[in-house]
Amino acid sequence: GDSVTQMEGPVTLSEEAFLTINCTYTATGYPSLFWYVQYPGEGLQLLLKATKADDKGSNKGFEATYRKETTSFHLEKGSVQVSDSAVYFCALSRTPASKLTFGTGTRLQVTL
Amino acid sequence: DAGVTQSPTHLIKTRGQQVTLRCSPKSGHDTVSWYQQALGQGPQFIFQYYEEEERQRGNFPDRFSGHQFPNYSSELNVNALLLGDSALYLCASSLFGTGGRSGNTIYFGEGSWLTVV
Repeated sequence: GDSVTQMEGPVTLSEEAFLTINCTYTATGYPSLFWYVQYPGEGLQLLLKATKADDKGSNKGFEATYRKETTSFHLEKGSVQVSDSAVYFCALSRTPASKLTFGTGTRLQVTL
Repeated sequence: DAGVTQSPTHLIKTRGQQVTLRCSPKSGHDTVSWYQQALGQGPQFIFQYYEEEERQRGNFPDRFSGHQFPNYSSELNVNALLLGDSALYLCASSLFGTGGRSGNTIYFGEGSWLTVV
């Protein structure tokens, strides 16, 4: 079945550091790929998405590129802020069912 | 435009009891999915409702059941509660068949925190 593997957290960075959170997936065909963010005590918010190979999703300075050859969708940001502290989830879905398969999440802690 | 709304936000139940959680999807959406998120884990898909029918189901026992109403709102029912059912229950809404493509997005509510004691 489908699965998503994320790097273990927590990830602790100083403000303005470069961020990479690794995500790889196992799925047949061409799923859509997503990054969701969960701030403390809140639900999930879509951060970015990519629907086909080589697509780059971007939002709020975060980027991720859909790499079919390496089945990866790594999340990057050039300069993190304290306000980026949250848990980040990589996920995939197949159309038309819309069911999402999530990774276990990576906690990011950004300090001054 | 109201997003996905869930109720209650927090509740405490005793083992063996039954619970009902409610969800109203985002305006214009017709599909509701439910997820269980245990502490420190990623959300796990429970089931999805469209046109008042269960369309897909994840690996959850029959104690978990649901319903969708003509106005697209939905309920999640859990019978014979176990300690392991303690989790955040998330509702997600979408437009059937889009699954994130074509500019449409799956929206999540803020969840219902269930504690079983």
